[in-house]
Amino acid sequence: DTGVSQNPRHKITKRGQNVTFRCDPISEHNRLYWYRQTLGQGPEFLTYFQNEAQLEKSRLLSDRFSAERPKGSFSTLEIQRTEQGDSAMYLCASSLRLSYGYTFGSGTRLTVV
Amino acid sequence: AQTVTQSQPEMSVQEAETVTLSCTYDTSESDYYLFWYKQPPSRQMILVIRQEAYKQQNATENRFSVNFQKAAKSFSLKISDSQLGDAAMYFCAYRSAGGSEKLVFGKGTKLTVNP
Repeated sequence: DTGVSQNPRHKITKRGQNVTFRCDPISEHNRLYWYRQTLGQGPEFLTYFQNEAQLEKSRLLSDRFSAERPKGSFSTLEIQRTEQGDSAMYLCASSLRLSYGYTFGSGTRLTVV
Repeated sequence: AQTVTQSQPEMSVQEAETVTLSCTYDTSESDYYLFWYKQPPSRQMILVIRQEAYKQQNATENRFSVNFQKAAKSFSLKISDSQLGDAAMYFCAYRSAGGSEKLVFGKGTKLTVNP
């Protein structure tokens, strides 16, 4: 068990480009979450999967954002037509049971220039 | 919607001393979970301690303990015998026991530990 893995660690992209991030959860965890964290703020919920089903999406997740979790394993978060306001740390977390806390990954820091 | 408020943007403590970080929350639910997470600089977020709302007994994990006051909707974190490695951002978080599984975070408290 190597914890929650996120790739890449850092991404710099030009405004208007598409980016995709990957998250590999702890293998036995069926729940997977994406959060966004901007400087000086707590993480904000984006979306949640239980196995391969996307069960909840935040209103923060605009049409430019899409997430998938094929086969209930790893997950990808794609941002299309990036904007400067998308610059943030994108955190992935996984969990086995509702009563447990999450295990977070180290995050992907996105900078849109 | 649930909200979590951390009223102390920054706190400092002397090494080996005790510090308490405050957290209040707003909810109409009766069953939920509360968490404290630690985020060291440039490192991943780590779960420090969790509390089930139905349990009256305050949770304790080694040097970390909470004071859970359900009626007052207060959930403070006490760190005893503070160590240099405790320096980090601390986030209080709320999670419903039914319905939404998302964590709602406060804005965090930056803890500095002085040698």
